[in-house]
Amino acid sequence: EVQLVQSGAEVKKPGESLKISCKGSGYSFTSYWIGWVRQMPGKGLEWMGIIYPGDSDTRYSPSFQGQVTISADKSISTAYLQWSSLKASDTAMYYCARHRLPDADYGDYFDYWGQGTLVTVSS
Amino acid sequence: EIVLTQSPATLSLSPGERATLSCRASQSVSSYLAWYQQKPGQAPRLLIYDASNRATGIPARFSGSGSGTDFTLTISSLEPEDFAVYYCQQRSNWSYTFGQGTKLEIK
Repeated sequence: EVQLVQSGAEVKKPGESLKISCKGSGYSFTSYWIGWVRQMPGKGLEWMGIIYPGDSDTRYSPSFQGQVTISADKSISTAYLQWSSLKASDTAMYYCARHRLPDADYGDYFDYWGQGTLVTVSS
Repeated sequence: EIVLTQSPATLSLSPGERATLSCRASQSVSSYLAWYQQKPGQAPRLLIYDASNRATGIPARFSGSGSGTDFTLTISSLEPEDFAVYYCQQRSNWSYTFGQGTKLEIK
């Protein structure tokens, strides 16, 4: 069974750093792109970026380029999303999601999703 | 960046009725469009990919159509569990975007 299990909720102060995780199981982790999606409270979905764990090729949305870092450790089947200096506006639910097809060279859609990680940034 | 505009923002219908949701792209995305359903407190679920293909396990009452810039998600006869928020997503050129969502609520 394919599963993406995300790390737990976080409460942080502005200016702090954070790294959240997404562990894949039940499939070949290195063969499927994993993306990150933000959902601010009461708002819609925003694509942040995506990584291919096989070679760590990474693409970012222009809106999030330079604001976050996406990485992966294929040895433990885990993708990460990190911030170096959080802002209150980073308060949101963050989802990881897997591409539908393996080795999708031209983009794809997301068929498996993590349960979400709620990040709260408040002084 | 390709902008997806969904309409209406809210759709109020009764169980058994037909729902028609629209997604318009700011430029052609060919058929590279998907639809997702999201219920409160849950992650999104893929319904339709490449404009008209149902994802695994999705009931036949869900159908998608369109190409280029205009797309439609149709739910032929609403079940109580269909009331949720629906998003479209395009995947052109490795720059994905989502629409702002349509909330389908019980009338």
